[in-house]
Amino acid sequence: EPEVTQTPSHQVTQMGQEVILRCVPISNHLYFYWYRQILGQKVEFLVSFYNNEISEKSEIFDDQFSVERPDGSNFTLKIRSTKLEDSAMYFCASSDWTGSGNTIYFGEGSWLTVV
Amino acid sequence: DAKTTQPPSMDCAEGRAANLPCNHSTISGNEYVYWYRQIHSQGPQYIIHGLKNNETNEMASLIITEDRKSSTLILPHATLRDTAVYYCIVRVGDKIIFGKGTRLHILP
Repeated sequence: EPEVTQTPSHQVTQMGQEVILRCVPISNHLYFYWYRQILGQKVEFLVSFYNNEISEKSEIFDDQFSVERPDGSNFTLKIRSTKLEDSAMYFCASSDWTGSGNTIYFGEGSWLTVV
Repeated sequence: DAKTTQPPSMDCAEGRAANLPCNHSTISGNEYVYWYRQIHSQGPQYIIHGLKNNETNEMASLIITEDRKSSTLILPHATLRDTAVYYCIVRVGDKIIFGKGTRLHILP
């Protein structure tokens, strides 16, 4: 069964460092998402991406965050200068078309620890 | 966005059917009901979704009331591996917004 894959599974970084989280969405999917989950809290929407541009972003997705689809298979989330409060599980997701009747599939997540 | 209300936690005996309720009284006619679950800190796992009709797949059944103001997710024969947080989501547009869900404990 096709799945969304994410790397790394766990990354520890020092405060102020840049981090890139990588995702390989399901191969025929066109819509991509990043979510995050701080330990013990809800899964929160960060950003959606389609046709090489951001479709929607939440208040969390400020200027220190960026997303990119550098080639035909990868989708990345960059955090420019990490803060302690960026420590969280980051989930990538994808769907093959938009609209509320279409399923979004999630990866297993990248656990980011900022020290 | 339409909001959902779920009990914070439920218990179910192993081998029995787990019935997870969800209220979504402000749902609009074109909004789908989705169910996901999250086992420990793994990625949210899609279970099932529906608009008006009841739906069944290999994982679960979704029963939506005729007025669409509530629904029930049914896991027909719960196992210990079904212990997870279950999210009922009314989806509007492209993204999914998660609430707090129901923490389902399967008791041996």
